[in-house]
Order: sequence, then C-alpha cells, then structure tokens
Amino acid sequence: GAGVSQSPSNKVTEKGKDVELRCDPISGHTALYWYRQSLGQGLEFLIYFQGNSAPDKSGLPSDRFSAERTGGSVSTLTIQRTQQEDSAVYLCASSPWEGGQETQYFGPGTRLLVL
Amino acid sequence: GENVEQHPSTLSVQEGDSAVIKCTYSDSASNYFPWYKQELGKRPQLIIDIRSNVGEKKDQRIAVTLNKTAKHFSLHITETQPEDSAVYFCAGGGSNYKLTFGKGTLLTVNP
Repeated sequence: GAGVSQSPSNKVTEKGKDVELRCDPISGHTALYWYRQSLGQGLEFLIYFQGNSAPDKSGLPSDRFSAERTGGSVSTLTIQRTQQEDSAVYLCASSPWEGGQETQYFGPGTRLLVL
Repeated sequence: GENVEQHPSTLSVQEGDSAVIKCTYSDSASNYFPWYKQELGKRPQLIIDIRSNVGEKKDQRIAVTLNKTAKHFSLHITETQPEDSAVYFCAGGGSNYKLTFGKGTLLTVNP
C-alpha cells in the first residue's frame, strides 16, 4: 500500500520567508510525528499528533515553528521567518498507535535550504 | 526524559566480516527498541526491533540483543555485504509515544 508521502521533496527559500511542508501519513495511522535531521546528525523530535488529543509540541525549537493536522490525517509544518539554521531535512513519520509503542514509518523527507 | 547513546559513530569493515553497533539508554521504563537503516538520500527504514520481554531477536543476517539490567542493546550484522553500507540509528521508547534516537553509525562495508 501507499507509504508516508511528503511534499515538496526539496525547498529553497530566502531568509525571512515562510515555508509550509506537507505530510500525508499512511491511511489509518492515528499517530503522526515530525522530526528534523541536520547534516550528519540524528533525528530531532519536533512535534507529535495522536488522534484528537492535544499535540505534544515540546520539541519545537522556537515559536517560529508550528504544525497542524487537519481531520486526523494530513499535517502541515510551518516555519515562519526562516533562518539559515533552519536548513535541514524535515521527516514525517506515522504509526498505528495501539496503546503502546509501534513501528514508525517515515516519509522521504523535505530537504529545506534557507539562503 | 530518555537519553540514547550510540557507538561507534563510524564503522568500517571488510565484506564478509561482522559489524556490531551498541546503544545505551537511561530510562528504565523504556520497553521498545527499534533499529533503522538510512541509505544516502533515503528515508529511515525499520530493519529490526525488540521489546523488553525478550533478550534477543534474529532475522537472517541481523540480530539484536537487549540487556535490561545494564540498559544496553546491540545490533549485530553477520556476513556483511556492500549493500549493508548505510547509517544505522537505534532508538528507545517507553509506554508513551516518543522514540529517542541515537546519533547514528555510518557503516561502510569495503568489497
């Protein structure tokens, strides 16, 4: 079946501009995660959505970052007034939450470059 | 919160040799430990996982061991092949939804 998809695959923007990154999770997966991966680094947790519960935003690095998930499916990560240090690969993952930890399936990521 | 340390950061082996990557975790409540493989420019993909009710799990050339007392778990790859070259990430998670990832190991298998 279809996996997690993300768009755009690449985004080049100028410092100070806003960007929106989109994630389409696997159908039926109630849990959705956003991570940031800087060059040669691990996966930095940003935000988590689970069903209709309030999202866990504890990983968002600043108030320039926000995310929403509409209808329990598609999610959008928005970065306002982008800075050069925001350049990274932004990965989305979804999981079939069944009351405990389950496998997270990753999308291909959006490679963001802020000039 | 959970802290996961991963070693080594880089590992180079000859084709056919074994490779071992080790991770330690801090939260004794963690009970789920997946390993992901990420090839250059690709998404992380799960290769094997283990839960705290077992000590070892094997899938063909890949095995994972878990020592709950010492709070460490390891990935073992036998008979390595060039296509095993990638970055490998360990992660740990508990009864909540979060996974904490290690910083990754770049494995290079030389033909």
